[in-house]
Amino acid sequence: EAGVTQSPTHLIKTRGQQATLRCSPISGHTSVYWYQQALGLGLQFLLWYDEGEERNRGNFPPRFSGRQFPNYSSELNVNALELEDSALYLCASSSRGETQYFGPGTRLLVL
Amino acid sequence: LAKTTQPISMDSYEGQEVNITCSHNNIATNDYITWYQQFPSQGPRFIIQGYKTKVTNEVASLFIPADRKSSTLSLPRVSLSDTAVYYCLVGPSRLGSSGNTPLVFGKGTRLSVIA
Repeated sequence: EAGVTQSPTHLIKTRGQQATLRCSPISGHTSVYWYQQALGLGLQFLLWYDEGEERNRGNFPPRFSGRQFPNYSSELNVNALELEDSALYLCASSSRGETQYFGPGTRLLVL
Repeated sequence: LAKTTQPISMDSYEGQEVNITCSHNNIATNDYITWYQQFPSQGPRFIIQGYKTKVTNEVASLFIPADRKSSTLSLPRVSLSDTAVYYCLVGPSRLGSSGNTPLVFGKGTRLSVIA
């Protein structure tokens, strides 16, 4: 069975641009979670989607947004990129709050 | 969610058993204990989850005392490839509604296995 997939694996942007990251959950999972992991730090919770709705949001500014599609895949959008947005962005999926399984991540570098 | 405390780092030689203890004094009745492993620049990998007593799978064992205020992840006969950061998390296994708070990752324990 395929795991959680994320694209792209790496993304390079300049300050002020927008970034779009994508996540496909494990088949059958309806929940998608997004986390940010800056270099050397722990995972910080960003967003949680379930059944197409945003269920919870971490302590991040509104320029971090996302959505979940009818097929349960998800996008994370980061507007007006800042240097400190450089991080590994991780997506996880689960069956309605069950154990979360993580994807390989997207490494975003903002120059 | 219950806050967890784990050692920042641990060293071990290959072939030894490694025990990583996590404290979670404020664990709630419906909370589960979950451990993840993370290699550099990769997503965390689920290792094991338990509620009480002992849970064992092909990778590790999880020991939870009766008061559930701590738990110990046991890795038998570690190898160099077990060098990673290990996270202990506590929270309800079933979230279910928009009012619940997702899992909170701490800084984890950095395990270094030496040849």
